[in-house]
Amino acid sequence: DTGVSQNPRHKITKRGQNVTFRCDPISEHNRLYWYRQTLGQGPEFLTYFQNEAQLEKSRLLSDRFSAERPKGSFSTLEIQRTEQGDSAMYLCASSLARGGGYLTPDTQYFGPGTRLTVL
Amino acid sequence: QKEVEQNSGPLSVPEGAIASLNCTYSDRGSQSFFWYRQYSGKSPELIMFIYSNGDKEDGRFTAQLNKASQYVSLLIRDSQPSDSATYLCAVSNFNKFYFGSGTKLNVKP
Repeated sequence: DTGVSQNPRHKITKRGQNVTFRCDPISEHNRLYWYRQTLGQGPEFLTYFQNEAQLEKSRLLSDRFSAERPKGSFSTLEIQRTEQGDSAMYLCASSLARGGGYLTPDTQYFGPGTRLTVL
Repeated sequence: QKEVEQNSGPLSVPEGAIASLNCTYSDRGSQSFFWYRQYSGKSPELIMFIYSNGDKEDGRFTAQLNKASQYVSLLIRDSQPSDSATYLCAVSNFNKFYFGSGTKLNVKP
């Protein structure tokens, strides 16, 4: 399977604990995105990388959240001191940026997500 | 004001009918527009994108864009029960991506 993969698929943790999620993008894709989705809402943008550089980070993202993409391949998203409000589906998506601007839109392909439950 | 607005639905149509889904956006600088389908408990999957005013057709799907009115729509012809899902509109402006909350579509056999 050459799609986007995410691990773990489910995570249950207690409030105050740290959690880390992993995303493996489609192999040739140079862009990687993280989103959070709660029930009845669309995906909410968190951050994105082009290769190993983190180019954009949502102002909604508190300093408890950090993401890395150390070698421009897989990425990790860490949440420190989890809160019950962090319970959500965390989605990763990847894309191939071709540099043609809007003429070659950044079509993102999503992974299956990691469902986080904070007790 | 949200960046992308969609009617949450549900929108119910009979099998074989045309389903019309609508989306408005607030950022006039938005460049690219996407429609995703999301089945319950699954992740979004891309249906199609559009970036210029007018219509773009792909099989049973037609996306329509009107930048002056900041309006995007998706038409699904010959709707099938398997089209029952939540349809997400997404808008991008260079490095920023915004999704609407989605419209739930029910296609009744």
